[in-house]
Amino acid sequence: EVQLVESGGGLVQPGGSLRLSCAASGFTVSTTYMSWVRQAPGKGLECVSVIYRGGSTSHADSVEGRFTISRDDSSNTLYLHMNSLRAEDTAVYYCAAFTMTDAFDIWGQGTMVTVSS
Amino acid sequence: AIQLTQSPSSLSASVGDRVTITCRTSQGINTVLAWYQQKPGKAPKLLIYHASSLGGGVPSRFSGSGSGTDFTLTISSLQPEDFATYYCQQFNNFPFTFGGGTKVEI
Repeated sequence: EVQLVESGGGLVQPGGSLRLSCAASGFTVSTTYMSWVRQAPGKGLECVSVIYRGGSTSHADSVEGRFTISRDDSSNTLYLHMNSLRAEDTAVYYCAAFTMTDAFDIWGQGTMVTVSS
Repeated sequence: AIQLTQSPSSLSASVGDRVTITCRTSQGINTVLAWYQQKPGKAPKLLIYHASSLGGGVPSRFSGSGSGTDFTLTISSLQPEDFATYYCQQFNNFPFTFGGGTKVEI
């Protein structure tokens, strides 16, 4: 079964760090595009980071220099390393992937990140 | 970044109605556009990719059309399970921006 399972969310103080994980099954993370998409409470969707098949990455301006997307091919896991967190980073973070199509056709269940003192 | 403008932002409809949602992009993107459905507390679900290709397991009452800057999602006969929020997303350039969403209510 093709599946993504996120973990690592929680409450963190402003300026703190957090690492999100997304364990993939049923496909190989290194062979496709994978992404982190976030949704602030009551708001729309924002694609914050993407890692491409070859391993290159892109980050939205809102997180550039603070967030880093990476993957571990041996464990088939996607990561999002988040530093210098701000209140406006508070959101549900989803991992998503292209598997059968050229769009995000598989999504995880989401993990909540709350940045607050 | 490419901006995506969805309209309307919300609509009220009844079971059996034909519903049309539009998505306009700030620059031409050929057909690299997807549509998603999201229900409260759940992850988005892919409906349409490449502007008009139906995602796996998606009912045929959903259809997409358009190219360039103007795109449409149509639900031919609204069902009770279709009440949700719908988003378009472009894959022409990173950031892969989303539209603001259209909430379909009873």
